[in-house]
Amino acid sequence: DTGVSQDPRHKITKRGQNVTFRCDPISEHNRLYWYRQTLGQGPEFLTYFQNEAQLEKSRLLSDRFSAERPKGSFSTLEIQRTEQGDSAMYLCARSQPPNTEAFFGQGTRLTVV
Amino acid sequence: GQQLNQSPQSMFIQEGEDVSMNCTSSSIFNTWLWYKQDPGEGPVLLIALYKAGELTSNGRLTAQFGITRKDSFLNISASIPSDVGIYFCAGRPEYGNKLVFGAGTILRVKS
Repeated sequence: DTGVSQDPRHKITKRGQNVTFRCDPISEHNRLYWYRQTLGQGPEFLTYFQNEAQLEKSRLLSDRFSAERPKGSFSTLEIQRTEQGDSAMYLCARSQPPNTEAFFGQGTRLTVV
Repeated sequence: GQQLNQSPQSMFIQEGEDVSMNCTSSSIFNTWLWYKQDPGEGPVLLIALYKAGELTSNGRLTAQFGITRKDSFLNISASIPSDVGIYFCAGRPEYGNKLVFGAGTILRVKS
C-alpha cells in the first residue's frame, strides 16, 4: 500500500467528452503530483501541489486540463473535450518534504474512442 | 529539457543470472530513484539515492548514485521469475521538485 488511492481505475470515454479523475493521498500535509504515462514510456510530469497551492505546471498541461486540490487533501484532474491523444495512464503520487521519493497510486487508465 | 537515457531497453535472461541496468543524463541530478512497474499498475519505489557515490541495497537489489551526479545503475542479483517487469530510473534535477523518468528497461526471466 503506497498510501495513494486513485479513482476510477479505468475510464473509456468518447472523444469530446469531459472526464474527471480523483486522487486521495493518506495525509493532508504533503506534496501531490500528477503524471501521465503513455505506452512504452516513463511517466511524464504534469503538475504538483504543496497543500492546496499548485506550484508548477508542465507545458504538457494544455488549456483543456485543469487540476485542483481544494483543501490540500484529495485532488482532481479534469480533461475537457477529450481527444484520442489523451489516452494514457494518469498517475498520482505523494511525497513528504524534505524527502523527495514519490509514492504512486495504481493509476487511472483513460481510453478515448 | 532534462532527459534520462536508460539502457538497455529490454533484457531476456535466465533465472539465477545477475542483471545490470543504468541511466545517464547530461544534467546533474540531486536524487536518483529506481522503480518497478507491473502491467496496469503504478510504479513501486525500490531504492532512493541522495548523495553522489552512495551505494544502497534492498535485498537482492543494489543501486549507486554516480560520482558525477549524472548517472545511476541498478543491479539485481540471482534473478527470479517475479523480477519480471519494467524498471524505471527517475531523477530530481538540481532545481525544482518534479521527477524526470527514463523510458524503462523491460526485464523478462526464463525459468
